[in-house]
Amino acid sequence: DAKTTQPTSMDCAEGRAANLPCNHSTISGNEYVYWYRQIHSQGPQYIIHGLKNNETNEMASLIITEDRKSSTLILPHATLRDTAVYYCIVRVVSGGSEKLVFGKGTKLTVNP
Amino acid sequence: NAGVMQNPRHLVRRRGQEARLRCSPMKGHSHVYWYRQLPEEGLKFMVYLQKENIIDESGMPKERFSAEFPKEGPSILRIQQVVRGDSAAYFCASSPTRSYGNEQFFGPGTRLTVL
Repeated sequence: DAKTTQPTSMDCAEGRAANLPCNHSTISGNEYVYWYRQIHSQGPQYIIHGLKNNETNEMASLIITEDRKSSTLILPHATLRDTAVYYCIVRVVSGGSEKLVFGKGTKLTVNP
Repeated sequence: NAGVMQNPRHLVRRRGQEARLRCSPMKGHSHVYWYRQLPEEGLKFMVYLQKENIIDESGMPKERFSAEFPKEGPSILRIQQVVRGDSAAYFCASSPTRSYGNEQFFGPGTRLTVL
């Protein structure tokens, strides 16, 4: 079962920041939070990941709360091409294995 | 550096036939993961392999499904005696190591349709 919960859908105006929330209240201390997105039905595209510190790269910023029970993905200037399903994922590592556990994600629609 | 490659991109099979899905990981990657996505659903983990080893197959159906990642060549996901419920998109991902913090890079997927 997914260890994250996200809103089903969100809208954002083109050029504005898109803030996508995620709850992961049962996350373990050594589990990373990953964000991927899927445009149409293409393969998921990696965006960013973090453990407990905030992270930023050329695509987005990831803000993780101090208790690590939630996080927010920020797309600073959303474009129409950012319309996609965004998945907040906990990377589960146990018993010598590891896997990404996907939920249903947030469908972000960027409007002109 | 080419990304993860999957073929075929689309595969149509009749009930009872076999489906073979191939995945070539990124150069230098020795870890492969297979996921399945049903319509309107998120991806579900199926199996995690390293070269010549199955590390975790906890997401694989117990019957008809098998996976391998030989020393040479691509990883293969094999579905025997396909049924309509096997219709889905199958994605492969690869990573260089199993160290914490490595992302998995996904291929474009194989869309299997069972008639």
